[in-house]
Amino acid sequence: QVQLVQSGPEVKKPGASVKVSCKASGYSFTSFGVSWVRQARGQGLEWMGWISPYNGNTNHAQKFQGRVTLTTDTSTSTAYMELRSLTSDDTAIYSCARLTMMRNMDVWGKGTTVIVSS
Amino acid sequence: QPVLTQPPSASASLGASVTLTCTLSSDYSNHKVDWYQQRPGKGPRFVMRVGPGGIVGFKGEGIPDRFSVLGSGLNRYLTIKNIQEEDESDYHCGADHGSGSNFVYVFGGGTKLTVL
Repeated sequence: QVQLVQSGPEVKKPGASVKVSCKASGYSFTSFGVSWVRQARGQGLEWMGWISPYNGNTNHAQKFQGRVTLTTDTSTSTAYMELRSLTSDDTAIYSCARLTMMRNMDVWGKGTTVIVSS
Repeated sequence: QPVLTQPPSASASLGASVTLTCTLSSDYSNHKVDWYQQRPGKGPRFVMRVGPGGIVGFKGEGIPDRFSVLGSGLNRYLTIKNIQEEDESDYHCGADHGSGSNFVYVFGGGTKLTVL
């Protein structure tokens, strides 16, 4: 079945970077985009950006410009999200989701908890 | 880009019906909106997309027939009939905006549905 399996929880110090992976299975990886969404505790969903594994096209929310890098490895059907210069405000659950041609997110990973603490 | 507004909470009794609202900012009356359900402690799951004329495309996997949508003016509605305990969730609406690869996606603040 279609699955997105994410990497495990991370604890980082302020100023550090984190890289979260998202391994896809059960479908053609290059036929769908991958979106990244985060959710701080008790807060709503926040879209971070998306990437096309087919051609590498990508875009980010203005808020994350210059601080986030989205990449994919088509040989392993894995998407990556790297966030730099972490602060405590980046403490959240980070999720990847399959992005359809309609641009809705129809399959989600279980999320990766990232804690930023000194 | 559109701004999506949702009331923070809603409640309904077991077996009753409830309608959740997502309101688009002005000038976006033709925009489509996606509904997502997020059960406590779980990740979101896609419910369905709604435009001015109603559902667009298909429901998400496993979404029961009790869930339906409607669009009117700037509002996009998600109605749940015969509410079950399992429907107690946060419901988020979201929408894409822009063309080609340079689109962005925005979410509303979410509505917490409590089943009484």
